[in-house]
Amino acid sequence: DTAVSQTPKYLVTQMGNDKSIKCEQNLGHDTMYWYKQDSKKFLKIMFSYNNKELIINETVPNRFSPKSPDKAHLNLHINSLELGDSAVYFCASSQEGRGSGNTIYFGEGSWLTVV
Amino acid sequence: GENVEQHPSTLSVQEGDSAVIKCTYSDSASNYFPWYKQELGKGPQLIIDIRSNVGEKKDQRIAVTLNKTAKHFSLHITETQPEDSAVYFCAAGPLNTGFQKLVFGTGTRLLVSP
Repeated sequence: DTAVSQTPKYLVTQMGNDKSIKCEQNLGHDTMYWYKQDSKKFLKIMFSYNNKELIINETVPNRFSPKSPDKAHLNLHINSLELGDSAVYFCASSQEGRGSGNTIYFGEGSWLTVV
Repeated sequence: GENVEQHPSTLSVQEGDSAVIKCTYSDSASNYFPWYKQELGKGPQLIIDIRSNVGEKKDQRIAVTLNKTAKHFSLHITETQPEDSAVYFCAAGPLNTGFQKLVFGTGTRLLVSP
């Protein structure tokens, strides 16, 4: 009963390919995020969706397109993959109040390697 | 925008010692400061947070202090154990409605030796 689950966990693909990472949360949260963690462990927000609407887009290339079919899902599609896209991508969710404050709950990460 | 600096980048201690990780932030509008622990192969997990209306918060062996005037906050772990070994991230941001625009520090790799 994982709270935030993302698939696949590992993905190795060639430059130029298009790939997707799926994310689902069963916490009933209204807000979902995508974070990127590079090889130096720097953790940066890419996108945030609240009730299926985009609220934060942190100057991410247009090749990255998030899609939220409902508030429990936020998928990340990446076109024309480049070597620099290799990183760990974390999906996350949060909800105001609910006794847990604004805690962000992270998934286990998706390790993307572009060769 | 917010900028968060975190030190040290690595920290090695002996089991039973205390560990302190320090962060500074730049945006005086930030009023929410969580700390996350990331174990190998896992996602970051919240361990403690503090809001700007308090100066200190404690939860068993971990505590966080906040100095809003100086714009810095610290994580203190006492009686460290090998299972405390992980990467720790501080973060800062406004306590918004509905979503969190947190800026994370660069992480501290803590190694606790038996």
